[in-house]
Amino acid sequence: DSGVTQTPKHLITATGQRVTLRCSPRSGDLSVYWYQQSLDQGLQFLIQYYNGEERAKGNILERFSAQQFPDLHSELNLSSLELGDSALYFCASSTLAGNEQFFGPGTRLTVL
Amino acid sequence: QQQVKQSPQSLIVQKGGISIINCAYENTAFDYFPWYQQFPGKGPALLIAIRPDVSEKKEGRFTISFNKSAKQFSLHIMDSQPGDSATYFCAATGPNSGYSTLTFGKGTMLLVSP
Repeated sequence: DSGVTQTPKHLITATGQRVTLRCSPRSGDLSVYWYQQSLDQGLQFLIQYYNGEERAKGNILERFSAQQFPDLHSELNLSSLELGDSALYFCASSTLAGNEQFFGPGTRLTVL
Repeated sequence: QQQVKQSPQSLIVQKGGISIINCAYENTAFDYFPWYQQFPGKGPALLIAIRPDVSEKKEGRFTISFNKSAKQFSLHIMDSQPGDSATYFCAATGPNSGYSTLTFGKGTMLLVSP
């Protein structure tokens, strides 16, 4: 158990809908990262927050957004969902930006 | 553009054998190379990592070999066990991203047969 929690574990929704994925980092970790894992693209970095501020951006679509709250938990918002957004979404956290990243168990999103 | 290429996609090894997974990178700014292990239904977990100032790092049955001139690195699992059956990802990062952005290979599914 990495200490990173993600909810929900599974999410099934329809095209065009909007969903919110939640991540609670390990106690004391200031940095949160979001990744998308799909069969064809593998694990892709989406975005990083550090102590509430966006720190780095990867291959994140404009339909996706994220934020980190004062209690350090983070949410990833996915809107106007498409079939191709179906994937596993992982959150990871680290004490400082650049330190070892600990991954949560992921949220499996299915868009029908 | 795939900056970290990993092979093979899948690998079957007999118990007690050596599992070898290879990765090649393109970005010469990368200078930290971790390997992650992922079991079904779980998130990736850091297994072992290397910096290019050494050519080899060993932790138990797991060894990373690094060839800076060829921009290649590999994971060797000695005395492979059924419990090692998992998906392995190589990754790379560097100071340009403050070591924040991990670029992953596409993964190798390892099956160790009893």
